[in-house]
Amino acid sequence: DTGVSQNPRHKITKRGQNVTFRCDPISEHNRLYWYRQTLGQGPEFLTYFQNEAQLEKSRLLSDRFSAERPKGSFSTLEIQRTEQGDSAMYLCASSTRGFPGELFFGEGSRLTVL
Amino acid sequence: AQTVTQSQPEMSVQEAETVTLSCTYDTSESDYYLFWYKQPPSRQMILVIRQEAYKQQNATENRFSVNFQKAAKSFSLKISDSQLGDAAMYFCAYRRTGNQFYFGTGTSLTVIP
Repeated sequence: DTGVSQNPRHKITKRGQNVTFRCDPISEHNRLYWYRQTLGQGPEFLTYFQNEAQLEKSRLLSDRFSAERPKGSFSTLEIQRTEQGDSAMYLCASSTRGFPGELFFGEGSRLTVL
Repeated sequence: AQTVTQSQPEMSVQEAETVTLSCTYDTSESDYYLFWYKQPPSRQMILVIRQEAYKQQNATENRFSVNFQKAAKSFSLKISDSQLGDAAMYFCAYRRTGNQFYFGTGTSLTVIP
């Protein structure tokens, strides 16, 4: 198992364009999280899946953001009509059920909106 | 709301010396979990150490240990015999018995040869 994989690692886009990030979690992990991290800040929770069900969404997640996890495997995070304020590192993490539930992170997808 | 505070944006330590990173948190829960994560430059975040709130004994992982003061809501990380590879951002994180993990703003640790 190679761990949590995220693609693309870096995306540069123009304001107003749509972007999609993909996360492949560790295969036996049924929980998947998306976080956003800006410079000088810690990761901020965006959303969480247990299997294919999206169970929690942060108020940070505006209507322009949508996440899916079809069949409970990989997940995608789409940002529509990107804004410069969306520029950040988008982190994906996965974990097993139960506690304490250590998070295993991917290397992140860095978004730059021009 | 749960908050995690790391009051030291930057710290430095001489190689082979000991350094302590501070973390405080705010919660009304009695059962929760605390973590320290390390994020090396351009690499993914990895778990350093974790502590269950119901355990009084402080967690230890090789050169890494914590000082967990539940009443004071304090959770500091001590790194002994610091090595160049310890240079990274360190994040304190809190998880109650729900699903969200709450992270602090991080401490950037520099190890001086």
